[in-house]
Amino acid sequence: SYVLAQPPSVPVAPGRAATITCGGDNIGSKNVHWYQQKPGQAPVVVIYYDSERPSGIPERFSGSNSGNTATLTISRVEAGDEADYYCQVWDSSTDHWVFGGGTKLTVL
Amino acid sequence: EVQLVESGGGLVQPGGSLRLSCAASGFTFSSYSMAWVRQAPGKGLEWVSYISSSSSTINYADSVKGRFTVSRDNAKNSLLLQMNSLRAEDTAVYYCARRRSSGFYYFDNWGQGTLVTVSS
Repeated sequence: SYVLAQPPSVPVAPGRAATITCGGDNIGSKNVHWYQQKPGQAPVVVIYYDSERPSGIPERFSGSNSGNTATLTISRVEAGDEADYYCQVWDSSTDHWVFGGGTKLTVL
Repeated sequence: EVQLVESGGGLVQPGGSLRLSCAASGFTFSSYSMAWVRQAPGKGLEWVSYISSSSSTINYADSVKGRFTVSRDNAKNSLLLQMNSLRAEDTAVYYCARRRSSGFYYFDNWGQGTLVTVSS
């Protein structure tokens, strides 16, 4: 089965940029989606199709995907961005929906 | 406004059964594929099951295949998950989620979840 690897935690100072990676075998050939989940809340999609932002998501959120790594970048991080972030792909070989293990973004 | 409201969670003994429901409103339910995603306490998201809008395509994660059954009632705008032979490792918050639309492989709306606890 397809596996997505994320770092467990990423610390960042307010105002700096945060980069969260999602590794997978030739993930650049897949479409990657990113969700934000705050404590006690349901996940919310912040990036879809590698780099598209849903309406209502700040421009500070951006994404890229190439080779074996997809990346979520949050520029000018704010305290309100502190959350868990998950990458997700659809594995066409198994018709399974796959989530990464999640990354806890900590704003210092 | 899209609303997804899960219900049916609770405490069940190992080996027992539980049936979860998800009531949908604010959109044409019969036009959208749906999924169940769970999250064990303090853990990450795990996809559980998927059902297409007409129920013609159904998939399960290997961890629940043969024990869980997903179904939907488009006339009642509801998504169901029948869970049998429950194990301690099935303990989780279960979310229903809407796939954006055909051709898009992500979930654009989620319910608030219902907690299932499997314990003796």
